[in-house]
Amino acid sequence: EAGVTQFPSHSVIEKGQTVTLRCDPISGHDNLYWYRRVMGKEIKFLLHFVKESKQDESGMPNNRFLAERTGGTYSTLKVQPAELEDSGVYFCASSFWGLNTEAFFGQGTRLTVV
Amino acid sequence: QQQVKQSPQSLIVQKGGISIINCAYENTAFDYFPWYQQFPGKGPALLIAIRPDVSEKKEGRFTISFNKSAKQFSLHIMDSQPGDSATYFCAASLDSGGYQKVTFGTGTKLQVIP
Repeated sequence: EAGVTQFPSHSVIEKGQTVTLRCDPISGHDNLYWYRRVMGKEIKFLLHFVKESKQDESGMPNNRFLAERTGGTYSTLKVQPAELEDSGVYFCASSFWGLNTEAFFGQGTRLTVV
Repeated sequence: QQQVKQSPQSLIVQKGGISIINCAYENTAFDYFPWYQQFPGKGPALLIAIRPDVSEKKEGRFTISFNKSAKQFSLHIMDSQPGDSATYFCAASLDSGGYQKVTFGTGTKLQVIP
């Protein structure tokens, strides 16, 4: 069975440009999470979907970030316009809904804003 | 405010030695404490986890020690092997009924030398 897949693996964009990251969760996983790790720091929670609904977006840095989850399947995270401080590794994770369910992480997208 | 503090930032251990990573948390409401292992180019993967009603959990060469009163927990890797070289993240979460919002530490880069 395929794991959580993220596209692209790497992205280098100029400040002010737009970038869209994609996450394909494991089939059947209702929970989908986005996290970000800025170099050398902790992995920080950005937001959480249950199916197509945003359950918790308390970690989203500002309104330049927009996340969607189409039909409760794949998710996209758009950054528009990108700033230098948006650089980092963006991780997506998914899990079944339920108590103590393990979240599986994708390999991450390394975003560099220059 | 960093809710989960992790140390050391990096660790070099000889093959066969014991690797010890320490973490401390602030929020006493956390009820699940996982450790993640991350290899270069991969996402974090759940290694071992503990709940606060247990003081120790062992899985193979990996042991979590948990001190609820001190709000501290640690990972011990016995008989460390070069294949254990990776970044390790401690984490804490609060089970919200059907999902978990994970708060990570800053990570420890472990290198096991032959």
